[in-house]
Amino acid sequence: AQKVTQTQTSISVMEKTTVTMDCVYETQDSSYFLFWYKQTASGEIVFLIRQDSYKKENATVGHYSLNFQKPKSSIGLIITATQIEDSAVYFCAMREGNYAQGLTFGLGTRVSVFP
Amino acid sequence: DAGVTQTPRHEVAEKGQTIILKCEPVSGHNDLFWYRQTKIQGLELLSYFRSKSLMEDGGAFKDRFKAEMLNSSFSTLKIQPTEPKDSAVYLCASSFDTNTEVFFGKGTRLTVV
Repeated sequence: AQKVTQTQTSISVMEKTTVTMDCVYETQDSSYFLFWYKQTASGEIVFLIRQDSYKKENATVGHYSLNFQKPKSSIGLIITATQIEDSAVYFCAMREGNYAQGLTFGLGTRVSVFP
Repeated sequence: DAGVTQTPRHEVAEKGQTIILKCEPVSGHNDLFWYRQTKIQGLELLSYFRSKSLMEDGGAFKDRFKAEMLNSSFSTLKIQPTEPKDSAVYLCASSFDTNTEVFFGKGTRLTVV
């Protein structure tokens, strides 16, 4: 069974700085996909970035990047040059590639960006 | 392209009532999910369909929750009978495949009194 754990409940940062969020996962599958989502104050859940388990390079999209450490089953999210509008709840999620299962989410990390 | 559409956005039900939530996935997507979101439990998977076939039916939710996918462009989630503990946000989501991003609807906020 797949499991995703986010241990940081909340993080506060100053605008224009870098924030890092942790996520560890558990799976028996040799192929899996890791995702990060953002939930805004309005409740909307938006896809941010994805890492495929077979790729060694860390994914980067805009000011989002990942720190994929496969031996540690860890996929951290890094947001550089944070803006006020980055304030949200960030969810880590996983899907196994060889089993038809749904997307499993962590409990989320609330990020507050202050001016 | 239209995203995932959920109706209604808000629903108030009395305990014991039957409610049906509706979802239209992104056109062309093969996977459809129903999730329940609460502050304590987070995002819990209720049901997962692939090409209209039920692949995963959350064990804890089998009793009073039933999701159906009548065609590739429409799904319903029935809760019967509702209980106050069912008060939550119900989210529908869809994706093209396992390795592609999952798109979420805006959710239905259910309040059971």
